[in-house]
Parts: sequence; C-alpha cells; structure tokens
Amino acid sequence: EADIYQTPRYLVIGTGKKITLECSQTMGHDKMYWYQQDPGMELHLIHYSYGVNSTEKGDLSSESTVSRIRTEHFPLTLESARPSHTSQYLCASSGLAPSSYNEQFFGPGTRLTVL
Amino acid sequence: EDQVTQSPEALRLQEGESSSLNCSYTVSGLRGLFWYRQDPGKGPEFLFTLYSAGEEKEKERLKATLTKKESFLHITAPKPEDSATYLCAVSGAGSYQLTFGKGTKLSVIP
Repeated sequence: EADIYQTPRYLVIGTGKKITLECSQTMGHDKMYWYQQDPGMELHLIHYSYGVNSTEKGDLSSESTVSRIRTEHFPLTLESARPSHTSQYLCASSGLAPSSYNEQFFGPGTRLTVL
Repeated sequence: EDQVTQSPEALRLQEGESSSLNCSYTVSGLRGLFWYRQDPGKGPEFLFTLYSAGEEKEKERLKATLTKKESFLHITAPKPEDSATYLCAVSGAGSYQLTFGKGTKLSVIP
C-alpha cells in the first residue's frame, strides 16, 4: 500500500544529543518536504527537496539539516538538540501525476521533546 | 508573499447543525487551494484541491467552494466524528510549496 512513514513517532531526549528523524514514502513521489508545527499554530516549511541530491531551506529558519540520497528517503538531522527544538515535525511528499502534482500527503509526524 | 487567514479559530456545533468555515487568501497566481483535516497528534489528511473560482468539490458531509479571494468548507449535518482541525493552504505560481493557515478547530457535540 502506498504510504508515507515517519519514525520515531515520539522522542524525548536530553540537550546536546544528535538525532535523526526518519521519513520514507512508497508513493513514487519525487518531491518531499519537512514542516514544523507547534500546538495551535500553522505548519511552517523548514526543508524541501524536488529530487535526489537536491535540498533547499524553507521559509522558517531551522538548525536542522536534511539529505536526499534516495528518492523514497528524506531524513532530518539535528546535530545538537536544544529545548527550543521541541515541536511536532511532519514529513510530506507530492508527485508527478498531472492531476495531483501539487497535492501533498503527510506522514503521522514525530513529536520531539528536548529536556 | 502568500497569506492564508482562517476563521473562526474554533467552532462548536450541535450534531446535525450545519455551518461553514472560511479561508481568505492572497496569492500571486493561484495554482491550487487545498483543504486538509488534522486530528490531534496526527499528520494532516488531504481532503480537496480547488483550482479556479467557481469550482466546487464534495465528499460525504463536506463541500468546498472557491472564489477569487476566499474558500468555504461547508459542513452539512455534522457528526461527532467530524470533530477535527481543518486546515486551508494555497500554492502560488511557480511554486510547489504550500502556505498554510492556522486552521479552524471544529467540535461537534452529540
């Protein structure tokens, strides 16, 4: 079944730790995105990729980094986590089909808490 | 800069009481307006895409409409399971990126 996966779903870590949030999709999509969402607030784009070896920063400044070595995989890394990084992180993808090339489909999210 | 404003922020309805949610937008060359449903602690679930003024789409108790400045999500005879936050987003010319509103939190009381 075509889907988009995120792991872990929940993560509680201490300040200074390095973490990687995983995102994989089996939708056959070429475009992938990372959003950050705080409670009651809108989604903010922090990274996006339109294909392998192509990544860009989004509108919201973030200390995280991303990579896109395989089409289906788009991990996000924080080298040194801080309490200000506590948030919900959502991964999304969109595809090539003419009728749906702009529609983004989301994973379940990772709730990150940095103590 | 693309902007999306949703109103009201929160809406409480009795089961069966129909109402509408509003999404006002400014965008340079609308490529698409999108409605999503988001349940607590989950990722947004895609509902509709509207591409041009006058377009309408329906799914069960939901109907989305679009004008040149705003979109409405009409909910007919809602049920408690329709309770969620409804998000509106737009995509402008030359971009695959979406700009989201803050959402409307809908509560349907039995």
